[in-house]
Amino acid sequence: DAEITQSPRHKITETGRQVTLACHQTWNHNNMFWYRQDLGHGLRLIHYSYGVQDTNKGEVSDGYSVSRSNTEDLPLTLESAASSQTSVYFCASSDSYGLDGTDTQYFGPGTRLTVL
Amino acid sequence: LAKTTQPISMDSYEGQEVNITCSHNNIATNDYITWYQQFPSQGPRFIIQGYKTKVTNEVASLFIPADRKSSTLSLPRVSLSDTAVYYCLVVTQVGSARQLTFGSGTQLTVLP
Repeated sequence: DAEITQSPRHKITETGRQVTLACHQTWNHNNMFWYRQDLGHGLRLIHYSYGVQDTNKGEVSDGYSVSRSNTEDLPLTLESAASSQTSVYFCASSDSYGLDGTDTQYFGPGTRLTVL
Repeated sequence: LAKTTQPISMDSYEGQEVNITCSHNNIATNDYITWYQQFPSQGPRFIIQGYKTKVTNEVASLFIPADRKSSTLSLPRVSLSDTAVYYCLVVTQVGSARQLTFGSGTQLTVLP
Protein backbone atom coordinates (compact mmCIF):
# COMPACT_ATOMS: atom_id res chain seq x y z
CA ASP A 1 0.00 0.00 0.00
CA ALA A 2 1.09 3.55 -0.68
CA GLU A 3 2.24 5.45 2.37
CA ILE A 4 4.16 8.39 3.75
CA THR A 5 6.95 7.81 6.25
CA GLN A 6 9.14 10.04 8.38
CA SER A 7 12.48 9.36 10.00
CA PRO A 8 13.65 9.50 12.62
CA ARG A 9 10.54 9.39 14.80
CA HIS A 10 12.41 10.94 17.70
CA LYS A 11 15.56 13.06 17.66
CA ILE A 12 17.52 14.85 20.36
CA THR A 13 20.19 17.28 19.26
CA GLU A 14 22.20 20.19 20.55
CA THR A 15 21.95 23.86 19.77
CA GLY A 16 23.92 24.80 16.69
CA ARG A 17 23.98 21.38 15.07
CA GLN A 18 22.62 20.70 11.60
CA VAL A 19 19.68 18.32 11.56
CA THR A 20 17.90 16.71 8.63
CA LEU A 21 14.47 15.13 8.91
CA ALA A 22 13.45 12.72 6.18
CA CYS A 23 10.06 12.39 4.50
CA HIS A 24 9.28 9.72 1.91
CA GLN A 25 5.99 9.10 0.14
CA THR A 26 5.00 6.35 -2.25
CA TRP A 27 1.75 7.96 -3.40
CA ASN A 28 3.55 9.55 -6.36
CA HIS A 29 2.05 12.87 -5.24
CA ASN A 30 3.24 16.11 -6.76
CA ASN A 31 2.79 18.23 -3.64
CA MET A 32 4.69 17.82 -0.38
CA PHE A 33 4.57 19.89 2.79
CA TRP A 34 6.38 20.32 6.07
CA TYR A 35 4.60 21.56 9.20
CA ARG A 36 5.55 22.09 12.79
CA GLN A 37 3.08 21.57 15.59
CA ASP A 38 3.42 23.33 18.92
CA LEU A 39 0.95 23.38 21.78
CA GLY A 40 -1.50 26.23 21.29
CA HIS A 41 -0.43 26.92 17.70
CA GLY A 42 -1.88 24.01 15.78
CA LEU A 43 0.00 23.24 12.59
CA ARG A 44 2.11 25.87 10.90
CA LEU A 45 3.47 25.53 7.40
CA ILE A 46 7.26 25.63 7.05
CA HIS A 47 7.93 24.84 3.39
CA TYR A 48 6.12 23.18 0.54
CA SER A 49 6.85 21.86 -2.93
CA TYR A 50 4.66 21.50 -6.00
CA GLY A 51 7.06 19.15 -7.75
CA VAL A 52 10.68 18.24 -8.44
CA GLN A 53 13.02 21.25 -8.17
CA ASP A 54 10.18 23.42 -6.82
CA THR A 55 10.22 24.75 -3.24
CA ASN A 56 8.28 27.53 -1.54
CA LYS A 57 8.41 29.21 1.83
CA GLY A 58 5.56 28.87 4.24
CA GLU A 59 4.52 30.86 7.28
CA VAL A 60 7.50 29.90 9.50
CA SER A 61 10.37 29.15 7.13
CA ASP A 62 13.21 31.00 8.90
CA GLY A 63 15.94 28.57 9.98
CA TYR A 64 14.69 25.76 7.74
CA SER A 65 15.45 24.64 4.21
CA VAL A 66 14.18 21.96 1.84
CA SER A 67 15.17 20.57 -1.52
CA ARG A 68 13.17 18.37 -3.90
CA SER A 69 15.36 16.21 -6.14
CA ASN A 70 12.75 13.52 -6.81
CA THR A 71 9.02 12.99 -6.45
CA GLU A 72 9.18 10.75 -3.39
CA ASP A 73 11.34 12.74 -0.95
CA LEU A 74 11.34 16.16 0.69
CA PRO A 75 14.00 16.34 3.43
CA LEU A 76 13.80 19.21 5.91
CA THR A 77 17.09 20.67 7.15
CA LEU A 78 17.65 22.80 10.20
CA GLU A 79 20.93 24.52 9.38
CA SER A 80 21.75 25.47 12.98
CA ALA A 81 19.27 24.05 15.43
CA ALA A 82 17.85 26.36 18.08
CA SER A 83 15.85 25.55 21.21
CA SER A 84 12.88 27.38 19.67
CA GLN A 85 12.79 24.67 17.02
CA THR A 86 11.90 22.00 19.55
CA SER A 87 8.60 20.74 18.17
CA VAL A 88 6.77 17.92 16.45
CA TYR A 89 7.30 17.99 12.70
CA PHE A 90 4.80 16.57 10.23
CA CYS A 91 5.29 15.89 6.58
CA ALA A 92 2.32 15.66 4.22
CA SER A 93 1.69 15.03 0.56
CA SER A 94 -1.18 15.63 -1.83
CA ASP A 95 -2.00 15.25 -5.46
CA SER A 96 -2.54 18.27 -7.66
CA TYR A 97 -5.84 20.10 -7.51
CA GLY A 98 -8.67 18.18 -9.00
CA LEU A 99 -11.14 19.84 -11.33
CA ASP A 100 -13.32 20.63 -8.32
CA GLY A 101 -10.39 22.07 -6.34
CA THR A 102 -10.08 19.26 -3.83
CA ASP A 103 -6.62 18.66 -2.41
CA THR A 104 -6.52 16.08 0.37
CA GLN A 105 -3.30 16.01 2.32
CA TYR A 106 -1.99 12.74 3.72
CA PHE A 107 0.17 13.17 6.79
CA GLY A 108 3.10 11.16 8.06
CA PRO A 109 3.37 9.98 11.68
CA GLY A 110 5.55 12.91 12.76
CA THR A 111 9.05 13.45 14.15
CA ARG A 112 9.51 14.71 17.66
CA LEU A 113 12.60 16.92 17.74
CA THR A 114 14.19 18.19 20.93
CA VAL A 115 16.95 20.78 20.77
CA LEU A 116 18.95 21.07 23.99
CA LEU B 1 -2.86 35.59 5.62
CA ALA B 2 -6.29 34.20 6.45
CA LYS B 3 -6.88 33.79 10.18
CA THR B 4 -8.95 30.96 11.62
CA THR B 5 -10.46 30.68 15.10
CA GLN B 6 -11.86 27.58 16.80
CA PRO B 7 -13.05 26.79 20.32
CA ILE B 8 -10.27 25.24 22.39
CA SER B 9 -12.34 22.34 23.68
CA MET B 10 -15.77 20.73 23.69
CA ASP B 11 -17.35 17.89 25.64
CA SER B 12 -20.15 15.66 24.43
CA TYR B 13 -21.82 12.37 25.28
CA GLU B 14 -22.00 9.25 23.19
CA GLY B 15 -24.80 9.29 20.65
CA GLN B 16 -25.11 13.07 20.51
CA GLU B 17 -24.52 15.29 17.49
CA VAL B 18 -21.50 17.57 17.80
CA ASN B 19 -21.02 20.83 15.93
CA ILE B 20 -17.60 22.50 15.83
CA THR B 21 -17.38 25.95 14.30
CA CYS B 22 -14.39 27.60 12.68
CA SER B 23 -14.35 31.33 12.01
CA HIS B 24 -12.25 32.49 9.08
CA ASN B 25 -11.81 36.02 7.76
CA ASN B 26 -10.43 37.14 4.39
CA ILE B 27 -11.71 34.04 2.68
CA ALA B 28 -12.30 34.44 -1.04
CA THR B 29 -14.95 32.92 -3.25
CA ASN B 30 -12.73 30.13 -4.50
CA ASP B 31 -11.07 29.28 -1.19
CA TYR B 32 -12.06 25.94 0.25
CA ILE B 33 -12.31 24.77 3.85
CA THR B 34 -11.05 21.39 4.99
CA TRP B 35 -11.38 19.64 8.33
CA TYR B 36 -8.89 17.18 9.78
CA GLN B 37 -8.97 14.86 12.78
CA GLN B 38 -5.91 14.09 14.87
CA PHE B 39 -5.36 11.42 17.49
CA PRO B 40 -2.44 11.58 19.95
CA SER B 41 0.95 10.71 18.42
CA GLN B 42 -0.51 10.54 14.91
CA GLY B 43 -0.65 12.84 11.93
CA PRO B 44 -3.91 14.58 11.05
CA ARG B 45 -6.41 12.69 8.92
CA PHE B 46 -8.78 14.20 6.35
CA ILE B 47 -12.47 14.32 7.28
CA ILE B 48 -14.32 16.58 4.86
CA GLN B 49 -13.88 19.53 2.52
CA GLY B 50 -16.14 22.10 0.89
CA TYR B 51 -16.57 25.49 -0.78
CA LYS B 52 -20.11 26.49 0.06
CA THR B 53 -23.51 25.47 1.43
CA LYS B 54 -23.45 21.87 2.61
CA VAL B 55 -21.28 18.85 1.99
CA THR B 56 -21.91 15.42 3.47
CA ASN B 57 -19.91 12.22 3.45
CA GLU B 58 -20.09 8.97 5.36
CA VAL B 59 -18.61 10.41 8.56
CA ALA B 60 -19.51 14.12 8.75
CA SER B 61 -21.25 17.13 7.29
CA LEU B 62 -19.82 20.55 6.59
CA PHE B 63 -22.00 23.65 6.62
CA ILE B 64 -20.77 26.90 5.10
CA PRO B 65 -23.13 29.90 5.26
CA ALA B 66 -23.53 32.34 2.42
CA ASP B 67 -21.16 34.92 3.90
CA ARG B 68 -18.47 32.22 4.25
CA LYS B 69 -17.08 33.84 7.39
CA SER B 70 -17.40 30.56 9.24
CA SER B 71 -17.90 26.85 8.72
CA THR B 72 -19.34 24.16 10.95
CA LEU B 73 -18.24 20.56 11.14
CA SER B 74 -21.09 18.32 12.23
CA LEU B 75 -20.42 14.84 13.61
CA PRO B 76 -23.61 12.78 13.96
CA ARG B 77 -23.99 10.38 16.88
CA VAL B 78 -20.45 10.57 18.23
CA SER B 79 -18.78 7.64 19.94
CA LEU B 80 -15.88 7.40 22.37
CA SER B 81 -13.52 6.82 19.44
CA ASP B 82 -14.33 10.31 18.10
CA THR B 83 -12.36 11.82 20.99
CA ALA B 84 -9.64 13.72 19.15
CA VAL B 85 -8.48 17.17 18.12
CA TYR B 86 -10.26 18.66 15.12
CA TYR B 87 -8.63 21.26 12.89
CA CYS B 88 -10.06 23.46 10.19
CA LEU B 89 -7.80 24.43 7.32
CA VAL B 90 -8.27 27.29 4.91
CA VAL B 91 -6.29 27.14 1.69
CA THR B 92 -6.00 30.40 -0.21
CA GLN B 93 -4.60 30.63 -3.69
CA VAL B 94 -2.74 33.90 -4.15
CA GLY B 95 -1.43 34.02 -7.71
CA SER B 96 0.75 30.95 -8.01
CA ALA B 97 1.38 30.81 -4.27
CA ARG B 98 -0.61 28.83 -1.74
CA GLN B 99 -1.41 29.98 1.77
CA LEU B 100 -2.43 27.26 4.21
CA THR B 101 -3.83 28.34 7.55
CA PHE B 102 -4.75 25.76 10.15
CA GLY B 103 -6.88 26.65 13.13
CA SER B 104 -5.39 25.97 16.54
CA GLY B 105 -7.64 22.94 16.96
CA THR B 106 -10.62 21.90 19.07
CA GLN B 107 -10.18 19.08 21.57
CA LEU B 108 -13.39 17.04 21.48
CA THR B 109 -13.93 14.72 24.43
CA VAL B 110 -16.76 12.21 24.14
CA LEU B 111 -18.00 10.94 27.47
CA PRO B 112 -19.83 7.65 28.09
